[in-house]
Amino acid sequence: EVRLEESGGGLAQPGGSLRLSCAASGFTFNNYDMNWVRQAPGKGLEWVAHISASGSVIKYADSVRGRFTISRDNAKNSLDLQMGGLSADDSALYYCARNPWDPPHFDYWGQGALVIVSS
Amino acid sequence: DIQMTQSPSFVSASVGDRVTITCRASQGISSWLAWYQQKPGKAPKLLIYAASSLQGGVPSRFSGSGSGTDFTLTISSLQPEDFGTYYCQQANSFPLTFGGGTKVDIK
Repeated sequence: EVRLEESGGGLAQPGGSLRLSCAASGFTFNNYDMNWVRQAPGKGLEWVAHISASGSVIKYADSVRGRFTISRDNAKNSLDLQMGGLSADDSALYYCARNPWDPPHFDYWGQGALVIVSS
Repeated sequence: DIQMTQSPSFVSASVGDRVTITCRASQGISSWLAWYQQKPGKAPKLLIYAASSLQGGVPSRFSGSGSGTDFTLTISSLQPEDFGTYYCQQANSFPLTFGGGTKVDIK
């Protein structure tokens, strides 16, 4: 069974940092591109970042480029999102999502990690 | 960036009704479109990819069509469990973008 489990969410100060992790199981992690997608409370879905299976190709949304860093550890079957320069606009439920093949879409999602940015 | 516009934003329909949701891309995206269903408090679920391919395990009452800039998700006979919000997503190019969502309510 494919499972994606996010962790690391919580309360952060404006301007602060937070690191999210996603533990993957039930599939061969290093065969799949992965993504982060977020959803602000009561709002729609916003793609955040993409990383290829090998980690060699990385893409970001304009809204997070230069502040967020996506990475993966294929030996540990884990995906990370290092977030910095946080603002209230970054408050959202962050999902990790698997990309089964190109073009990129998302067939499995985690349950989400809630990030709240507030003083 | 490719903008995705969904309509309507809200649909209220009865069990057994045919429901159609449209999604328009601001530029051509070939057939690189996916549809998701999201229920309250849950992660989105993939329904359709490549505009018209049904994801495994998804009931056949869901279908997708279209290419270029105009796409449609159809629920042929609405069931009580089909309530939720539906999103389209273009997969043609980065940044990946979603439509604003269509909330489906069962009368």
